[in-house]
Amino acid sequence: DADVTQTPRNRITKTGKRIMLECSQTKGHDRMYWYRQDPGLGLRLIYYSFDVKDINKGEISDGYSVSRQAQAKFSLSLESAIPNQTALYFCATSDLRAGYNEQFFGPGTRLTVL
Amino acid sequence: AQKITQTQPGMFVQEKEAVTLDCTYDTSDPSYGLFWYKQPSSGEMIFLIYQGSYDQQNATEGRYSLNFQKARKSANLVISASQLGDSAMYFCAMRERGTGNQFYFGTGTSLTVIP
Repeated sequence: DADVTQTPRNRITKTGKRIMLECSQTKGHDRMYWYRQDPGLGLRLIYYSFDVKDINKGEISDGYSVSRQAQAKFSLSLESAIPNQTALYFCATSDLRAGYNEQFFGPGTRLTVL
Repeated sequence: AQKITQTQPGMFVQEKEAVTLDCTYDTSDPSYGLFWYKQPSSGEMIFLIYQGSYDQQNATEGRYSLNFQKARKSANLVISASQLGDSAMYFCAMRERGTGNQFYFGTGTSLTVIP
């Protein structure tokens, strides 16, 4: 079973709709992250959370919000989706106490906003 | 300024040859880590190799090695004996202790291995 899961894997929505992307992990990591990937731009950090009570904005947080419902769950919301939010979204986890503190990624959610 | 710079949008290599993917980084933090990830066409991100800023020796993991030149702030990935399955996007990333261990990613290099 995957350690970091994302739902849905693919989503097509319309401009102005509210959408939520969900991330769950079984790795027991404290830290969770949301990134978006656009061609030619690499991965850019949207929000990150170092524990349930800690939420931080990343490089491109405008138009997004997050909720850390539990240590294992971190959801990303687009309150009113717009076409330039069409991208591949990744959730990731890490743990300062484990390994190299590398990031472990979910499989990604491909979001299309029409 | 960009924290991570990958100047090669696309690279080609002959099967069984070695290839070097370039990465330079920008930090004033003495404590940082450098990572390389592989993203095949299926989309998942796969961790390949890590180099810590205090590590004296270059990191190696199987056919992957990291050519770490601290004074030049470069962390190039070397893939030896390229295989067709190495065709993918490769991302260099950095984690800085001073920014709460945030990760910064480069824009990636697309590697194509030619039979």
